[in-house]
Amino acid sequence: DIQLTQSPSFLSASVGDRVTITCRASQGISSNLAWYQQEPGKAPKLLIYAASTLQSGVPSRFSGSGSGTEFTLTVSSLEPEDFATYYCHQLNSFLLTFGGGTKVEIK
Amino acid sequence: EVQLVQSGAEVKKPGESLKISCRGSGYKFTSYYIGWVRQMPGKGLEWMGIIYPGDSDTRYSPSFQGQVTISADKSSSTAYLQWSSLRASDTALYYCARRGPYYYDNSVYFVFDIWGQGTMVTVSS
Repeated sequence: DIQLTQSPSFLSASVGDRVTITCRASQGISSNLAWYQQEPGKAPKLLIYAASTLQSGVPSRFSGSGSGTEFTLTVSSLEPEDFATYYCHQLNSFLLTFGGGTKVEIK
Repeated sequence: EVQLVQSGAEVKKPGESLKISCRGSGYKFTSYYIGWVRQMPGKGLEWMGIIYPGDSDTRYSPSFQGQVTISADKSSSTAYLQWSSLRASDTALYYCARRGPYYYDNSVYFVFDIWGQGTMVTVSS
């Protein structure tokens, strides 16, 4: 299985802050990575696919980068609705995996 | 509107069987994989398995192989996740999700783009 390791697992930040979340894959997955946002009590929501392509309707303050084994999700300026948990997800095969998640909380 | 609607919350005893459902609407159900994802209380997302309703091709995560059965009924546009003998450790929120193709830079990426609302399964004596 391809393992995904997210860091940090917890992040405390303020509205307006720039935050970056890292996802490392145990082997190269090219650009076969997606990012999801999960608000409390809700189903996950697709933010980014192909490592860096924004899903339709997702605000431009979200961006993704990376290829191979190291990927990042950046929120350029946190809004109140961005306080949630974020997961990376590798799409490289039928042995799909998610990262452990990064909870972004209000400082 | 494209949506997945899951069956309601369940409370079961250890050893009992259970089948939960996920009904798709607003799209061609047989043309997209449906996956199942577990979320234990306070924990992250775990991929369990996936089925292509068009031909019932099914793949399981090694962690869930033999523990659950995934199936689909084309006639009712419904996917299912079932257990033959529940354990307390099966207590979790279960999501179904559609795996849709997205195209970028001459490549296709299959992502979970539509999610059900989740089904809470509680197993307790």
